[in-house]
Amino acid sequence: GAGVSQSPSNKVTEKGKDVELRCDPISGHTALYWYRQRLGQGLEFLIYFQGNSAPDKSGLPSDRFSAERTGESVSTLTIQRTQQEDSAVYLCASSLWVTSGPEQFFGPGTRLTVL
Amino acid sequence: RKEVEQDPGPFNVPEGATVAFNCTYSNSASQSFFWYRQDCRKEPKLLMSVYSSGNEDGRFTAQLNRASQYISLLIRDSKLSDSATYLCVVGPGLLKDMRFGAGTRLTVKP
Repeated sequence: GAGVSQSPSNKVTEKGKDVELRCDPISGHTALYWYRQRLGQGLEFLIYFQGNSAPDKSGLPSDRFSAERTGESVSTLTIQRTQQEDSAVYLCASSLWVTSGPEQFFGPGTRLTVL
Repeated sequence: RKEVEQDPGPFNVPEGATVAFNCTYSNSASQSFFWYRQDCRKEPKLLMSVYSSGNEDGRFTAQLNRASQYISLLIRDSKLSDSATYLCVVGPGLLKDMRFGAGTRLTVKP
C-alpha cells in the first residue's frame, strides 16, 4: 500500500515569503505528526493531530508556523514570513493511533531552503 | 542537557565487524524505546523496538538499562548495507511525546 507522501520534495524560497507544505498520511491512520530536522540534528516535534481532537501545537517554534488537517486526511504546514533559520527538512509521519505502538511511518520530507 | 543524547560518530568499521552504539536519556519516566535507521536524505524507518529484557533481531541486539538510563544497539557481522544514521527514540508512552536523538552515523567499508 501507499506510504506517507509529502510535497513538494524540495522548496527554495526567499526570506519573507510564505510557504505551504503538504502531507498525505497512510489511509486509516488517525494520528499525524510534523517534525523539523535541521542538518546534523535530531527530529524536532512541531505539531500533532489525532482524529477530530484539538491538535497539540506545543512544538511550534513561533506564531509564523501553523498547520491544519481535515479529518483524518491531508495536512498542510504553513510557514509565514520565512526566515533563513527555517531552512530544514520538514518530515511528516502518521500512525494508527498515538499510543506507543505500532510505530510512526515517515514521509520522505520536504527540504526547505530559505535564501 | 539534551533529552536524548547520542555519540554522533562517524563510526567507520570494516565489513564483518561488530559495532555498538549507546544512547542516554534524561527522563526517568520514559517507557518506550526505539531504534530508527535513516539513510542519507531519506526518511527514518523503524529498525527495532527496545524491550526491558533486551531483544534480538538477526544481527541486531538492543538492550535497555533503566538504572543508568541508556539503551544500546549492537550490530554483528556488519554489512555494507548497514551504512546509515541510527536514531535513538525515547518517550513516556505516547508517540507524540517521543524524543529523537541526533543520530549516530555508521559507515561500513569493504
